[in-house]
Amino acid sequence: GDSVTQMEGPVTLSEEAFLTINCTYTATGYPSLFWYVQYPGEGLQLLLKATKADDKGSNKGFEATYRKETTSFHLEKGSVQVSDSAVYFCALTPGNAGGTSYGKLTFGQGTILTVHP
Amino acid sequence: DGGITQSPKYLFRKEGQNVTLSCEQNLNHDAMYWYRQDPGQGLRLIYYSQIVNDFQKGDIAEGYSVSREKKESFPLTVTSAQKNPTAFYLCASRTYGELFFGEGSRLTVL
Repeated sequence: GDSVTQMEGPVTLSEEAFLTINCTYTATGYPSLFWYVQYPGEGLQLLLKATKADDKGSNKGFEATYRKETTSFHLEKGSVQVSDSAVYFCALTPGNAGGTSYGKLTFGQGTILTVHP
Repeated sequence: DGGITQSPKYLFRKEGQNVTLSCEQNLNHDAMYWYRQDPGQGLRLIYYSQIVNDFQKGDIAEGYSVSREKKESFPLTVTSAQKNPTAFYLCASRTYGELFFGEGSRLTVL
Protein backbone atom coordinates (compact mmCIF):
# COMPACT_ATOMS: atom_id res chain seq x y z
CA GLY A 1 0.00 0.00 0.00
CA ASP A 2 0.88 3.67 -0.12
CA SER A 3 3.17 5.05 2.55
CA VAL A 4 4.92 8.29 3.51
CA THR A 5 8.10 8.55 5.55
CA GLN A 6 9.23 11.82 7.11
CA MET A 7 12.46 12.65 8.85
CA GLU A 8 12.16 12.15 12.56
CA GLY A 9 11.99 15.17 14.77
CA PRO A 10 11.89 17.20 16.70
CA VAL A 11 13.79 19.78 14.71
CA THR A 12 15.06 22.79 16.62
CA LEU A 13 16.43 25.83 14.80
CA SER A 14 17.37 29.41 15.48
CA GLU A 15 15.45 32.18 13.76
CA GLU A 16 16.62 32.85 10.18
CA ALA A 17 18.16 29.38 9.83
CA PHE A 18 17.58 27.22 6.75
CA LEU A 19 14.99 24.46 7.10
CA THR A 20 14.75 21.11 5.36
CA ILE A 21 12.26 18.42 6.34
CA ASN A 22 12.71 15.25 4.30
CA CYS A 23 9.75 13.31 2.92
CA THR A 24 9.84 10.19 0.79
CA TYR A 25 6.92 8.14 -0.42
CA THR A 26 5.90 4.78 -1.81
CA ALA A 27 2.95 4.72 -4.18
CA THR A 28 1.87 3.35 -7.50
CA GLY A 29 1.30 5.59 -10.45
CA TYR A 30 1.44 9.36 -10.07
CA PRO A 31 0.17 10.46 -6.68
CA SER A 32 -0.50 14.04 -5.66
CA LEU A 33 1.71 15.26 -2.82
CA PHE A 34 0.95 17.69 0.00
CA TRP A 35 2.49 19.41 2.98
CA TYR A 36 0.16 20.29 5.85
CA VAL A 37 0.98 22.36 8.94
CA GLN A 38 -0.60 22.04 12.37
CA TYR A 39 -0.27 24.79 14.96
CA PRO A 40 -0.75 23.87 18.64
CA GLY A 41 -4.29 22.81 19.50
CA GLU A 42 -5.57 23.29 15.97
CA GLY A 43 -6.51 21.23 12.94
CA LEU A 44 -4.32 20.86 9.88
CA GLN A 45 -3.95 23.53 7.20
CA LEU A 46 -2.72 22.92 3.68
CA LEU A 47 0.69 24.54 3.24
CA LEU A 48 1.47 23.57 -0.36
CA LYS A 49 0.89 20.85 -2.92
CA ALA A 50 2.15 19.37 -6.20
CA THR A 51 0.19 17.16 -8.54
CA LYS A 52 2.76 15.98 -11.07
CA ALA A 53 6.45 15.26 -11.38
CA ASP A 54 8.80 18.28 -11.30
CA ASP A 55 6.01 20.55 -10.01
CA LYS A 56 7.13 22.95 -7.30
CA GLY A 57 4.63 23.91 -4.63
CA SER A 58 5.26 27.12 -2.70
CA ASN A 59 3.56 29.18 -0.01
CA LYS A 60 4.63 31.55 2.78
CA GLY A 61 8.30 31.12 1.84
CA PHE A 62 8.11 27.32 1.96
CA GLU A 63 8.85 25.23 -1.13
CA ALA A 64 8.79 21.58 -2.11
CA THR A 65 9.52 19.92 -5.46
CA TYR A 66 7.88 16.68 -6.61
CA ARG A 67 10.80 14.38 -7.52
CA LYS A 68 9.51 11.18 -9.04
CA GLU A 69 12.98 9.77 -9.70
CA THR A 70 13.80 9.86 -5.99
CA THR A 71 10.15 9.56 -4.78
CA SER A 72 10.67 12.60 -2.59
CA PHE A 73 8.92 15.85 -1.67
CA HIS A 74 11.25 17.61 0.74
CA LEU A 75 10.06 20.80 2.43
CA GLU A 76 12.44 23.78 2.52
CA LYS A 77 12.46 27.35 3.76
CA GLY A 78 15.37 29.72 3.49
CA SER A 79 14.84 31.66 6.70
CA VAL A 80 12.54 30.36 9.42
CA GLN A 81 10.69 32.50 11.94
CA VAL A 82 9.47 31.78 15.46
CA SER A 83 5.93 31.76 14.05
CA ASP A 84 6.83 28.72 11.90
CA SER A 85 6.98 26.55 15.00
CA ALA A 86 4.43 23.82 14.36
CA VAL A 87 4.05 20.19 13.30
CA TYR A 88 4.52 19.51 9.59
CA PHE A 89 2.92 16.56 7.80
CA CYS A 90 3.75 15.19 4.39
CA ALA A 91 0.88 13.38 2.65
CA LEU A 92 -0.11 11.77 -0.60
CA THR A 93 -3.27 10.78 -2.39
CA PRO A 94 -3.62 8.33 -5.29
CA GLY A 95 -2.96 9.70 -8.72
CA ASN A 96 -6.53 9.46 -9.94
CA ALA A 97 -7.89 11.60 -7.10
CA GLY A 98 -7.55 14.68 -9.25
CA GLY A 99 -10.62 13.47 -11.11
CA THR A 100 -13.75 12.08 -9.55
CA SER A 101 -12.16 9.58 -7.19
CA TYR A 102 -11.88 10.66 -3.57
CA GLY A 103 -8.92 8.55 -2.65
CA LYS A 104 -7.61 8.39 0.86
CA LEU A 105 -4.84 10.70 1.97
CA THR A 106 -1.95 8.87 3.55
CA PHE A 107 0.06 10.92 6.06
CA GLY A 108 3.58 10.73 7.39
CA GLN A 109 4.10 10.69 11.13
CA GLY A 110 4.71 14.43 11.36
CA THR A 111 7.80 16.46 12.22
CA ILE A 112 7.79 18.89 15.13
CA LEU A 113 9.62 22.13 14.35
CA THR A 114 10.63 24.56 17.08
CA VAL A 115 12.23 27.87 16.17
CA HIS A 116 13.98 29.89 18.87
CA PRO A 117 14.54 33.66 18.71
CA ASP B 1 -17.61 31.75 5.73
CA GLY B 2 -17.33 28.19 4.52
CA GLY B 3 -15.63 25.63 6.66
CA ILE B 4 -15.78 22.58 8.84
CA THR B 5 -17.10 22.75 12.39
CA GLN B 6 -16.30 20.10 14.95
CA SER B 7 -17.88 19.92 18.37
CA PRO B 8 -17.24 19.66 21.18
CA LYS B 9 -13.65 20.88 21.23
CA TYR B 10 -12.97 19.04 24.51
CA LEU B 11 -14.84 16.05 25.85
CA PHE B 12 -14.40 13.87 28.90
CA ARG B 13 -15.93 10.43 29.13
CA LYS B 14 -16.07 7.69 31.70
CA GLU B 15 -15.04 4.21 30.70
CA GLY B 16 -17.92 2.19 29.27
CA GLN B 17 -19.75 5.19 27.81
CA ASN B 18 -20.36 5.89 24.16
CA VAL B 19 -19.72 9.40 22.91
CA THR B 20 -20.57 11.11 19.62
CA LEU B 21 -18.38 13.75 17.98
CA SER B 22 -20.07 16.13 15.60
CA CYS B 23 -18.70 17.25 12.22
CA GLU B 24 -20.56 19.68 9.97
CA GLN B 25 -19.35 21.24 6.71
CA ASN B 26 -20.83 23.94 4.49
CA LEU B 27 -18.29 23.59 1.70
CA ASN B 28 -20.60 21.41 -0.41
CA HIS B 29 -17.95 18.68 -0.42
CA ASP B 30 -18.98 15.16 -1.31
CA ALA B 31 -16.35 13.27 0.68
CA MET B 32 -15.79 13.42 4.43
CA TYR B 33 -13.22 11.74 6.66
CA TRP B 34 -12.42 11.03 10.30
CA TYR B 35 -8.82 10.77 11.44
CA ARG B 36 -7.35 9.99 14.82
CA GLN B 37 -4.12 11.67 15.95
CA ASP B 38 -1.85 10.29 18.65
CA PRO B 39 1.54 11.72 19.60
CA GLY B 40 4.30 10.44 17.34
CA GLN B 41 1.92 8.45 15.12
CA GLY B 42 0.67 10.99 12.66
CA LEU B 43 -2.91 10.70 11.44
CA ARG B 44 -4.72 7.41 11.07
CA LEU B 45 -7.91 7.05 9.05
CA ILE B 46 -10.96 5.77 10.96
CA TYR B 47 -13.81 6.04 8.46
CA TYR B 48 -14.58 7.94 5.29
CA SER B 49 -17.63 8.61 3.16
CA GLN B 50 -17.70 9.54 -0.49
CA ILE B 51 -21.46 10.05 -0.83
CA VAL B 52 -24.53 10.28 1.37
CA ASN B 53 -25.69 6.99 2.91
CA ASP B 54 -22.40 5.29 2.13
CA PHE B 55 -19.16 4.99 4.09
CA GLN B 56 -16.07 2.78 4.26
CA LYS B 57 -13.80 1.60 7.04
CA GLY B 58 -10.37 3.09 7.26
CA ASP B 59 -7.31 1.59 8.88
CA ILE B 60 -8.52 1.65 12.50
CA ALA B 61 -12.33 1.39 12.39
CA GLU B 62 -12.75 -1.07 15.28
CA GLY B 63 -14.65 0.46 18.17
CA TYR B 64 -16.01 3.34 16.07
CA SER B 65 -19.20 3.92 14.07
CA VAL B 66 -20.36 6.63 11.69
CA SER B 67 -23.41 7.71 9.71
CA ARG B 68 -23.88 9.92 6.66
CA GLU B 69 -27.53 10.85 6.43
CA LYS B 70 -26.86 14.32 5.08
CA LYS B 71 -24.15 15.67 2.82
CA GLU B 72 -23.19 18.28 5.42
CA SER B 73 -22.86 15.99 8.43
CA PHE B 74 -20.63 13.04 9.34
CA PRO B 75 -20.82 12.26 13.09
CA LEU B 76 -18.43 9.79 14.70
CA THR B 77 -19.43 7.62 17.66
CA VAL B 78 -16.66 6.31 19.87
CA THR B 79 -18.09 3.20 21.46
CA SER B 80 -17.17 1.43 24.67
CA ALA B 81 -15.53 -1.23 22.50
CA GLN B 82 -12.72 1.17 21.62
CA LYS B 83 -9.96 0.09 23.97
CA ASN B 84 -7.90 3.26 23.95
CA PRO B 85 -10.14 6.16 22.94
CA THR B 86 -8.18 9.05 24.44
CA ALA B 87 -6.93 10.99 21.41
CA PHE B 88 -7.35 14.04 19.21
CA TYR B 89 -9.98 13.47 16.49
CA LEU B 90 -9.95 15.37 13.23
CA CYS B 91 -12.74 15.61 10.68
CA ALA B 92 -12.01 16.59 7.10
CA SER B 93 -13.76 17.00 3.78
CA ARG B 94 -12.71 17.34 0.18
CA THR B 95 -13.88 17.71 -3.35
CA TYR B 96 -10.77 17.21 -5.47
CA GLY B 97 -7.21 17.30 -4.26
CA GLU B 98 -6.54 18.50 -0.77
CA LEU B 99 -8.41 17.88 2.44
CA PHE B 100 -9.89 20.69 4.49
CA PHE B 101 -9.79 20.05 8.23
CA GLY B 102 -11.82 21.09 11.21
CA GLU B 103 -10.24 22.33 14.43
CA GLY B 104 -10.42 18.92 16.08
CA SER B 105 -12.03 17.38 19.17
CA ARG B 106 -9.93 16.17 22.08
CA LEU B 107 -11.46 13.19 23.85
CA THR B 108 -10.20 12.12 27.26
CA VAL B 109 -11.41 8.96 28.96
CA LEU B 110 -11.30 9.16 32.74
